[in-house]
Amino acid sequence: NAGVTQTPKFRILKIGQSMTLQCTQDMNHNYMYWYRQDPGMGLKLIYYSVGAGITDKGEVPNGYNVSRSTTEDFPLRLELAAPSQTSVYFCASSPTRTENTGELFFGEGSRLTVL
Amino acid sequence: GNSVTQMEGPVTLSEEAFLTINCTYTATGYPSLFWYVQYPGEGLQLLLKATKADDKGSNKGFEATYRKETTSFHLEKGSVQVSDSAVYFCALSGSNYQLIWGAGTKLIIKP
Repeated sequence: NAGVTQTPKFRILKIGQSMTLQCTQDMNHNYMYWYRQDPGMGLKLIYYSVGAGITDKGEVPNGYNVSRSTTEDFPLRLELAAPSQTSVYFCASSPTRTENTGELFFGEGSRLTVL
Repeated sequence: GNSVTQMEGPVTLSEEAFLTINCTYTATGYPSLFWYVQYPGEGLQLLLKATKADDKGSNKGFEATYRKETTSFHLEKGSVQVSDSAVYFCALSGSNYQLIWGAGTKLIIKP
């Protein structure tokens, strides 16, 4: 019953540090997404991938990078962390294009604080 | 552009009360509409959806009707339980692989 697994669940970074949020799914979904959620705001799409080796920018990609070397894994890299990247990050996957069915499968979220 | 507005929370109700969480949207074209729920310590999960005007989505006793004339998709439940305590997100289908999300409404049910 793993579904979408994100690690770590919590992390505190200093300004300028780098880190990678890990995301793995075991449902063989082609589509994967990274969202961020700021307090009082809806989820914003950072990056998405339609399959291994293919990634593209979402609404708020600046300051982040992704890779998709396998169907299962979709890590999100933060380079030179800034306080503006303090947020809750959600990884999600879907078997089809999101806007057709809306059925996304989410991880539990990773709370990142940059001080 | 497309957007979703939800009522601010938290919404606090007693068990067996009637629930309404308001959601209105602005969109071009004919988007699909969704409600997601996030229980404490878990990821978001799809609760119900509606793909065209006047459709009613339902699941687990929750209902929402796609009202094009009022651009609304309000979530309702006739009798809430403590186990319904969660954060509820309204969303609509955008373009380019995106869903457009509301800010979420926290629901607290007291026994």
